[in-house]
Amino acid sequence: DAGVTQSPTHLIKTRGQHVTLRCSPISGHKSVSWYQQVLGQGPQFIFQYYEKEERGRGNFPDRFSARQFPNYSSELNVNALLLGDSALYLCASSLGQLAGGYTFGSGTRLTVV
Amino acid sequence: TQLLKQSPQFLSIQEGENLTVYCNSSSVFSSLQWYRQEPGEGPVLLVTVVTGGEVKKLKRLTFQFGDARKDSSLHITAAQPGDTGLYLCAMITGANNLFFGTGTRLTVIP
Repeated sequence: DAGVTQSPTHLIKTRGQHVTLRCSPISGHKSVSWYQQVLGQGPQFIFQYYEKEERGRGNFPDRFSARQFPNYSSELNVNALLLGDSALYLCASSLGQLAGGYTFGSGTRLTVV
Repeated sequence: TQLLKQSPQFLSIQEGENLTVYCNSSSVFSSLQWYRQEPGEGPVLLVTVVTGGEVKKLKRLTFQFGDARKDSSLHITAAQPGDTGLYLCAMITGANNLFFGTGTRLTVIP
């Protein structure tokens, strides 16, 4: 079985641009969460979606948005990119809403120049 | 403000040595998880501890949850180069997401 897949794996954008990151959860998993990991730090929670509804949001500005599709895949959108948005963006899926059973993808490395 | 502090921040040891890394918080954990993250990969769950004083073993790795559920440790016996990576502790918050610690970057030299 495929694990959590994220695309693209690497991305370079210019300040002010918009970016869309994609995540496909493990088959049967209904919950997808997004985390941002800045170099040298632990991941920081951005969003959780369960059954296509937002169930949690971290301390990120409104430039960050996400959605979950009927097939449980998810997109993370970031508008008006800043240099500080450069990070590894991780997607994690789980069967239910509880965070204890997460499986993480390999992430998308976003560089903003 | 919640803070999960891990120590040491960096650790470089020779193959075969033993080591312990720590995770501390001013708040009580409901439960705590340990992850290992290798370069270019996402974190991989190693263990979940729930009960104060709990000890879990995973081959050469021993995880302990403090009696007061405010701290945890990970002990590795006879470290191998394959143990190299970023070790992260994380608490499961009341909002059902993960709050990660600052991480310990371990390098095991052959």
